[in-house]
Amino acid sequence: DSGVTQTPKHLITATGQRVTLRCSPRSGDLSVYWYQQSLDQGLQFLIQYYNGEERAKGNILERFSAQQFPDLHSELNLSSLELGDSALYFCASRAGDTQYFGPGTRLTVL
Amino acid sequence: GENVEQHPSTLSVQEGDSAVIKCTYSDSASNYFPWYKQELGKRPQLIIDIRSNVGEKKDQRIAVTLNKTAKHFSLHITETQPEDSAVYFCAASKREDYKYIFGTGTRLKVLA
Repeated sequence: DSGVTQTPKHLITATGQRVTLRCSPRSGDLSVYWYQQSLDQGLQFLIQYYNGEERAKGNILERFSAQQFPDLHSELNLSSLELGDSALYFCASRAGDTQYFGPGTRLTVL
Repeated sequence: GENVEQHPSTLSVQEGDSAVIKCTYSDSASNYFPWYKQELGKRPQLIIDIRSNVGEKKDQRIAVTLNKTAKHFSLHITETQPEDSAVYFCAASKREDYKYIFGTGTRLKVLA
């Protein structure tokens, strides 16, 4: 257990819908990173937050948005969902140089 | 832009043999290089890491080497076991922005 929590574990929804994925970093960690991993693919960096502020953006679609709240938890919002958005979504928090990954949310878009 | 190349994409070894996975990074300012192991459907788990002021680090059957001049780093697994079968990812980051650039992964199969 890395100490990073993500909810829900699984999410099944239909095309065109909107979902919210939630992440809580390890106690004391201020950073949150979001990654997308499609089937048998690598980790695609989406976005990075530090203490409530956006620090870097990667390959994040305009239909996706995220924020980090004052209590440091983060939410990733995915809207107008398409079949291709089906993937594992991981968040990670950072302590020093090291990233720790959460268990992921598996999103299935039907 | 920043890039990490990882080879090979798949690797099959006999149980007890060694496995080597290699990564090359493009940003010479990178100073931290972690390796993650990911089992099917699970989260990536850190197995070993190395910082730029060190050339080699070992933890039991796992070792990582870093060649800063060539911008290469490698993961070495000795005496492989079936439970080593997984996808392994390398990454590079730097303290300026703590952005992590991941390699594309290596699927390791250890044949019993």
